[in-house]
Amino acid sequence: GESVGLHLPTLSVQEGDNSIINCAYSNSASDYFIWYKQESGKGPQFIIDIRSNMDKRQGQRVTVLLNKTVKHLSLQIAATQPGDSAVYFCAEIAVQGAQKLVFGQGTRLTINP
Amino acid sequence: KAGVTQTPRYLIKTRGQQVTLSCSPISGHRSVSWYQQTPGQGLQFLFEYFSETQRNKGNFPGRFSGRQFSNSRSEMNVSTLELGDSALYLCASSRRTGGYEQYFGPGTRLTVT
Repeated sequence: GESVGLHLPTLSVQEGDNSIINCAYSNSASDYFIWYKQESGKGPQFIIDIRSNMDKRQGQRVTVLLNKTVKHLSLQIAATQPGDSAVYFCAEIAVQGAQKLVFGQGTRLTINP
Repeated sequence: KAGVTQTPRYLIKTRGQQVTLSCSPISGHRSVSWYQQTPGQGLQFLFEYFSETQRNKGNFPGRFSGRQFSNSRSEMNVSTLELGDSALYLCASSRRTGGYEQYFGPGTRLTVT
């Protein structure tokens, strides 16, 4: 069945350090991947996306890496700030069949001062 | 531009009752998707509406239903509430169907007692 999972449920980093959040997906037919950030009391917020024909994409302080060989996705956040504390979800959309977002379980990122 | 709005934000219902939640998408967005978020199951897709038609449906019982109006506003209904229906219900809107470029609302927190 469909599943998108995360290796670690929690991650703590020092303010100013870089953080890496990992995600494994099982559907090799997925062609579009998105990272969302969810702060307490809010809905998920789009961070960055990547298509399966790319292996890296950079945004402001964030980089997403895609390794289709091992079906692995990662989100790198540079120079973390207190405002980066949140739960991060990876999500995927498969080209084949009925298209919909399939979310991973989420990783809680805590930035320590 | 106003974001996705959901009403009500909080709701307490009793087992056996029914509930209707409302979602107003971003202006110009014709797709509205609904998700259920629980600590145990994470974010799960309920259904998507585009131009008043249900485009896709997740693996939820028939007690969960929805509809979309001509102004793209959407409602979801849960009948015969069960304790396990307690969750954060999120809606997301997009110009496109299929889960792409979705913007999420803050959610409706439903508690069933």
